Amino acid sequence: AQSVTQLGSHVSVSEGALVLLRCNYSSSVPPYLFWYVQYPNQGLQLLLKYTSAATLVKGINGFEAEFKKSETSFHLTKPSAHMSDAAEYFCAVSDLDQGGSEKLVFGKGTKLTVNP
Amino acid sequence: EAGVVQSPRYKIIEKKQPVAFWCNPISGHNTLYWYLQNLGQGPELLIRYENEEAVDDSQLPKDRFSAERLKGVDSTLKIQPAELGDSAVYLCASSLSGSTRGLIGEQFFGPGTRLTVL
Repeated sequence: AQSVTQLGSHVSVSEGALVLLRCNYSSSVPPYLFWYVQYPNQGLQLLLKYTSAATLVKGINGFEAEFKKSETSFHLTKPSAHMSDAAEYFCAVSDLDQGGSEKLVFGKGTKLTVNP
Repeated sequence: EAGVVQSPRYKIIEKKQPVAFWCNPISGHNTLYWYLQNLGQGPELLIRYENEEAVDDSQLPKDRFSAERLKGVDSTLKIQPAELGDSAVYLCASSLSGSTRGLIGEQFFGPGTRLTVL
């Protein structure tokens, strides 16, 4: 079964600083990988996804992630943090469910705090 | 376009009581998912519907949990009886169809129902 590990349950940065959220995956097949964001009391929103095209994936709100097969990583970055980026971020990998279609397997999440 | 609607947003019950959650997916979305999100964890799939058919309920604790999507549109998730360990957020999501590889990311999530069992 596929899985993801998010290193660091909490990350704190200053406004304007680089954001780096780490995700490592385990997959027996070429993976499809995703980052979701969850704002307080809201559902998850897709930030970006990797589906075996370009290894550098650009998403919404200035975020991007780079797929590195040699490191089995898919870290999320943003050059300059904004207060509005404070949220919880989930990395996910695709797996097959009982019905033979894909399902998402999520990491435990990283809560991002942005300090003024 | 309206998003995925869930109700109630919050529910507090005593253990051994029944509880039900309702979800209305985005119009035209054939696939509906129920996820469980425990505190400090990522969501875990409970059940997936394709129209009115439950095609994957392998993670649904069937002794106390049940779900239905009778007309292939909105869905209800029920717990009877609730236990203390059921306290969590229950998320509903929908997508256009059960996905071939790589399209799965297009799931749209509702805000969730936060259940507290006392």
